[in-house]
Amino acid sequence: GAGVSQSPSNKVTEKGKDVELRCDPISGHTALYWYRQSLGQGLEFLIYFQGNSAPDKSGLPSDRFSAERTGGSVSTLTIQRTQQEDSAVYLCASSPGGANGDTQYFGPGTRLTVL
Amino acid sequence: QQPVQSPQAVILREGEDAVINCSSSKALYSVHWYRQKHGEAPVFLMILLKGGEQKGHEKISASFNEKKQQSSLYLTASQLSYSGTYFCGILTGNQFYFGTGTSLTVIP
Repeated sequence: GAGVSQSPSNKVTEKGKDVELRCDPISGHTALYWYRQSLGQGLEFLIYFQGNSAPDKSGLPSDRFSAERTGGSVSTLTIQRTQQEDSAVYLCASSPGGANGDTQYFGPGTRLTVL
Repeated sequence: QQPVQSPQAVILREGEDAVINCSSSKALYSVHWYRQKHGEAPVFLMILLKGGEQKGHEKISASFNEKKQQSSLYLTASQLSYSGTYFCGILTGNQFYFGTGTSLTVIP
């Protein structure tokens, strides 16, 4: 079956613009995660959706970042007034159920470059 | 809250063994292990659950010491394909933290 997909694969934007990154999880997966990975760095957790529960937003780096998950499926990560330090690869992952016992399947990522 | 991994980097000759450690300041209920090759997304290796058995994947296995809040990943008879960066991961509350990463390079 289809894996996790993300779009766009690459996004170049100017400082101060807003961007939207999309994640389509594997069908039937209830959990969805967003991570950020800067060049040569590890994975930074951003936010985690479990079913229809309200997510914990405390991992988001600033109030310019927001995320939604509609209908328990597709998720959108929005970055407002982008800054150069937002440049990174944004990875989305989904898992069948709760995070403790479930594999996370990663999408290919969106490479964001803020000029 | 980010788990700390050691060593940060290791170079092996094909066929040698390696151990990667992951330590957390938080109580662990499960530990995930992933491998990421350059320019690619992380790929799942295994999950260890509290009270669960040591789980293996071919010549890669792992252990989970709940009391010490540590996990170790064992790579035996390493192959060139094992090269990459290895991350442990833990769930704390509603946040998932990946470790600091260990770069592993296997040379012929």
